[in-house]
Order: sequence, then structure tokens, then C-alpha cells
Amino acid sequence: GENVEQHPSTLSVQEGDSAVIKCTYSDSASNYFPWYKQELGKRPQLIIDIRSNVGEKKDQRIAVTLNKTAKHFSLHITETQPEDSAVYFCAALNNNDMRFGAGTRLTVKP
Amino acid sequence: NAGVTQTPKFQVLKTGQSMTLQCAQDMNHNSMYWYRQDPGMGLRLIYYSASEGTTDKGEVPNGYNVSRLNKREFSLRLESAAPSQTSVYFCASSVAGPPSAYGYTFGSGTRLTVV
Repeated sequence: GENVEQHPSTLSVQEGDSAVIKCTYSDSASNYFPWYKQELGKRPQLIIDIRSNVGEKKDQRIAVTLNKTAKHFSLHITETQPEDSAVYFCAALNNNDMRFGAGTRLTVKP
Repeated sequence: NAGVTQTPKFQVLKTGQSMTLQCAQDMNHNSMYWYRQDPGMGLRLIYYSASEGTTDKGEVPNGYNVSRLNKREFSLRLESAAPSQTSVYFCASSVAGPPSAYGYTFGSGTRLTVV
């Protein structure tokens, strides 16, 4: 089955700086890559996703890039704000098998 | 619009007891999922239902059973709870399963402790 690795496990940045979270996947047949944000004690919420026929997607301060050849994808958050502090999960979908990374705890210091 | 509703929010069970976690969605989604979340391990799929009338095992199905009661409801049953099943359980739904991929909408979670 698919294996998704996510790095780093924790990330601390100053408000206004950029944050980058990276994920690698093992199954070249995976074709959909969502990112979820989970605030403490809350449910995961989809923040952005990308499909395998697209290399990059942006939504305001958030962007995701996909390198199918290298089998990795990344989440980029620019101009970070304290409310961006949360755990972020990447995932990869192959058929109906959605595998999640272990998560990155992002802390944005004011 | 409630989205995905899970009950109960918290539960403590003794080893060997059984219980059913309930999940309902009001978004007319076809696919529904049960995940468990353990510290440092992300979300792992227990069972899913790609459409009404079908269910399939996920990554960690042992010790669980599911029922897709109708299009709206998807329940998860623990027949004989074990301490290893202590976890936070999330139900999720999506417009469709494969081959079209869509984001999941998650419920608020059930924190289960087995003592």
C-alpha cells in the first residue's frame, strides 16, 4: 500500500515568515494530494488539494507544489499569522486508499 | 447545514464491552469513512463505504465492524473493546470515491478510552 512520510514533525516560525512542509509518497499511481489543518481539539479541515495533472496550486497565502517524478509534494504558507498555528496533515490517494502523513505541528510566534 | 455529525463525543469503556459509534451526514455525499487518530501516527483508515450498500476494509480493520445503514448514516462497532482501541475516531464523507477524488468533510470526533 501507499506510504506517506511528512517532514518536519514540528516547525516554529516568526509571524510574517514563510513555512514549508514536505511530504513524500511511495505509490506512483497516487493521483490526489490534499492538505488538512487541525486546530487543537478540532476536526481536520481541508485547506488545499492538488491533482496529479497539475504542478502547482495557490489559494491566497497557501500554495501546494507537486513533483510526480520525485514523488513529493509540499505545502507553502507565506506571511504566517498566529492563527496558522495548528497541526497540518498531507495525504495521498490511490484508488480508494487515502494515506495520511503523521502530521506537522506548526507554531507561529507573534 | 450540520455537515457530518458524530455521537458520542466522549466514551469510556471497560475491556470487553461493546459499543457503536454513530455518524450521519446531510450533504448527500456518496462515500463515508471511519478513521482513527493516534499521537504521532496521523489518521489511519479503519473502514470505508464508497457508496450506499458497500463497505470495505481499510488499513486497520481488525476489531471493528461497520454498517452503512443508508446514504446518510455509517456506524462503527467495537464488539469487544481492547485498550489498544483507545483513540480518537473520526467519521468523514466525500462527494464521491474513486476515480474522482474530492476532499473529505470530517466529523468532530469521538474520544474513546478503553480501561
